[in-house]
Amino acid sequence: GAGVSQSPSNKVTEKGKDVELRCDPISGHTALYWYRQRLGQGLEFLIYFQGNSAPDKSGLPSDRFSAERTGESVSTLTIQRTQQEDSAVYLCASSLRRGEQFFGPGTRLTVL
Amino acid sequence: DQQVKQNSPSLSVQEGRISILNCDYTNSMFDYFLWYKKYPAEGPTFLISISSIKDKNEDGRFTVFLNKSAKHLSLHIVPSQPGDSAVYFCAATRVSAGGTSYGKLTFGQGTILTVHP
Repeated sequence: GAGVSQSPSNKVTEKGKDVELRCDPISGHTALYWYRQRLGQGLEFLIYFQGNSAPDKSGLPSDRFSAERTGESVSTLTIQRTQQEDSAVYLCASSLRRGEQFFGPGTRLTVL
Repeated sequence: DQQVKQNSPSLSVQEGRISILNCDYTNSMFDYFLWYKKYPAEGPTFLISISSIKDKNEDGRFTVFLNKSAKHLSLHIVPSQPGDSAVYFCAATRVSAGGTSYGKLTFGQGTILTVHP
């Protein structure tokens, strides 16, 4: 089937605006993850959803960041009152079993 | 606190030769390790993984070695091909007692591999 898809692929916004990023995981994958990659750096964990368990939010950098997932399907990552340091590629991944996460192409967010 | 480190930001090798990418970790709770390859404007692609109960895992041209005592792993690509040119990320995680993923992967900063024809 199809891989992980993300939308939009690119987003340019003004400082202070809210943005919403979407992830469609691979069908049947119970786990969904959000990461971000700032320029020249590795991937940084943000949040993890596993089935009906409470999400692991330990990587969210501030309370401006939140994410939701409906059942085992679509997830949205919301960043409120965006700041320039939020500029990054936001990557979503899903997995069926341990470790092997399949990544989407990412959303490149630029905050002016 | 960088728990997974890739100390070489870049590596350049000749086509046909061996590429060796290195990775060090500090968290002794990590027990499952993965390598991902990333092309520009694409998400990372899973390459190969290794559990801490093994010291070697091989898949075609790719071999991952794990030295638990040194908290070090490496990825060997033999022979290297120009299409292997990409950013390579090492990642680590802890598998829960139930055998399912603890969840988050902790990534290194990546190494840019360039394979020259």
